[in-house]
Amino acid sequence: ETGVTQSPTHLIKTRGQQVTLRCSSQSGHNTVSWYQQALGQGPQFIFQYYREEENGRGNFPPRFSGLQFPNYSSELNVNALELDDSALYLCASSFRDGDGYTFGSGTRLTVV
Amino acid sequence: AQRVTQPEKLLSVFKGAPVELKCNYSYSGSPELFWYVQYSRQRLQLLLRHISRESIKGFTADLNKGETSFHLKKPFAQEEDSAMYYCALVSGGYNKLIFGAGTRLAVHP
Repeated sequence: ETGVTQSPTHLIKTRGQQVTLRCSSQSGHNTVSWYQQALGQGPQFIFQYYREEENGRGNFPPRFSGLQFPNYSSELNVNALELDDSALYLCASSFRDGDGYTFGSGTRLTVV
Repeated sequence: AQRVTQPEKLLSVFKGAPVELKCNYSYSGSPELFWYVQYSRQRLQLLLRHISRESIKGFTADLNKGETSFHLKKPFAQEEDSAMYYCALVSGGYNKLIFGAGTRLAVHP
């Protein structure tokens, strides 16, 4: 067991709705990143949090937002869902910079 | 632009054959590169990184700065090596990972 868990595993939402995805990182992992993986593509970086502060962001619009909590859990929120938001969303945590990231199993989001 | 290219979507080999999964990168500065693997119905997991220069499950990867490559190699493929392999580059001060599109390795008996 890698210690990074994500919920829910699958989710279906309607275009225009809002969604919250959750991640529980391994204890002591101060850095958490979120990735979007569209079908047939590699994961793409959304943003990263370090000790509850966002410290890096990829090429995603502001309707993608996040939170990190002191108990090593975090959230990814997406507002005004679009069909192209359908993807696997991965959470990854790391103890410190330079370590390889530990990934969760992901949440598969389908927007209809 | 920082980019990772994996030119092959699918690599199909027979058991016992040598394997080379190609990865080329574009990065200004000293790159930090990883290989991640995803077995069927399992999560993405770290296979190896160039800093450690180790061999994991018989796989090795050497960073070639002249050719900007980080190919993954194994001399004798096993059926259990069948999986999706992603090459990734650490970028920026906050260490985000830039992934290639991935190569599916299929090892046939």
